[in-house]
Amino acid sequence: KAGVTQTPRYLIKTRGQQVTLSCSPISGHRSVSWYQQTPGQGLQFLFEYFSETQRNKGNFPGRFSGRQFSNSRSEMNVSTLELGDSALYLCASSSQGGSDTQYFGPGTRLTVL
Amino acid sequence: AQSVSQHNHHVILSEAASLELGCNYSYGGTVNLFWYVQYPGQHLQLLLKYFSGDPLVKGIKGFEAEFIKSKFSFNLRKPSVQWSDTAEYFCAVTLDSSNTGKLIFGQGTTLQVKP
Repeated sequence: KAGVTQTPRYLIKTRGQQVTLSCSPISGHRSVSWYQQTPGQGLQFLFEYFSETQRNKGNFPGRFSGRQFSNSRSEMNVSTLELGDSALYLCASSSQGGSDTQYFGPGTRLTVL
Repeated sequence: AQSVSQHNHHVILSEAASLELGCNYSYGGTVNLFWYVQYPGQHLQLLLKYFSGDPLVKGIKGFEAEFIKSKFSFNLRKPSVQWSDTAEYFCAVTLDSSNTGKLIFGQGTTLQVKP
């Protein structure tokens, strides 16, 4: 099976812009979770989607949003970008979520100038 | 709030040395425990996991971890490291009660193995 894919792999944006990141889960997986990885804060949970519904949300401002489509592909959006949003954004998929093993994609490296 | 602590931030070992990375979590309920590894330039990969049963779990590449419930710990071990084990290691938990895929990660431990 193909692994989790994320596009684009690299992005450079300026403050105030918005950005959309995409994630395609492993075939058959219905749960998609998003994480932000930074040197200072480490890996932090953003949100999880299961069957097109947001099932859990981390402690991030409302500028961070996401959605999931009927084919389980997911997008996350960050509006009004700030310098502090520069990070590696990771997507992970699992069969049902919960305690199921999550498989991670390579990430999207976002740089905000 | 629930949290995961990894006490060793940066570990340097010589090849063939033994490895133990500490991981403690703060949550009184049932947890599922994971160790992930991130090799340079690669994505996060699962090393091993514990859900229930035998508290000593074996993973890939000769790694193992022991869950000690009384100590809220899930330490990672390997009897003899190789240069190729150089990577960043993350301990993580999910809360069994939450039934969602929210992984709570530790800060990570960078392991450098000298040839």
